Amino acid sequence: EADIYQTPRYLVIGTGKKITLECSQTMGHDKMYWYQQDPGMELHLIHYSYGVNSTEKGDLSSESTVSRIRTEHFPLTLESARPSHTSQYLCASQSLGQGLTEAFFGQGTRLTVV
Amino acid sequence: AQSVTQPDIHITVSEGASLELRCNYSYGATPYLFWYVQSPGQGLQLLLKYFSGDTLVQGIKGFEAEFKRSQSSFNLRKPSVHWSDAAEYFCAVGPNQGGKLIFGQGTELSVKP
Repeated sequence: EADIYQTPRYLVIGTGKKITLECSQTMGHDKMYWYQQDPGMELHLIHYSYGVNSTEKGDLSSESTVSRIRTEHFPLTLESARPSHTSQYLCASQSLGQGLTEAFFGQGTRLTVV
Repeated sequence: AQSVTQPDIHITVSEGASLELRCNYSYGATPYLFWYVQSPGQGLQLLLKYFSGDTLVQGIKGFEAEFKRSQSSFNLRKPSVHWSDAAEYFCAVGPNQGGKLIFGQGTELSVKP
């Protein structure tokens, strides 16, 4: 059973507000990802981490930032939300064990900035 | 460059009909291949994966996929589609040089009664 959780599931927030999207996993996975996905569209990798104190920019430029202070926690922060940030944000984790394993995904956070 | 292509953006099939979703990849080494399904407003759920061995892999919900190295393909199939199969389907390959999974653009499946 995959145990990766995202909160909140839905968020409507005003322009200029600071927000943090939470992602936690209980599987002890080293690798974690954040994807941005517009409705019905492909996934765009915006951030990833190989482990504690590791953060990397993804393929799609994003104004968000991430941190990885604990293995299980990979929060994403927007310092000043804008309507262009309206999207679905998906968090995933993956083991760095022998070979490659599948990525496990959270339920997603649907963000609307008004 | 490593890439994944899902040629069909949207497919409509009748309930009970067979289904095949196409996935083609470009990859320098032996790939690890995955199919994920996403219901509206949800995260991605793994349907099946191929790492090595038998090129025909069975997954959950009655899905299967066949790895064909000569065609660089990993097509997803189901013999009889149910209305609950309507969703978005993503093919993925990995790892790339950064150890990341590369996702295709997705295929949206609609099921007619």
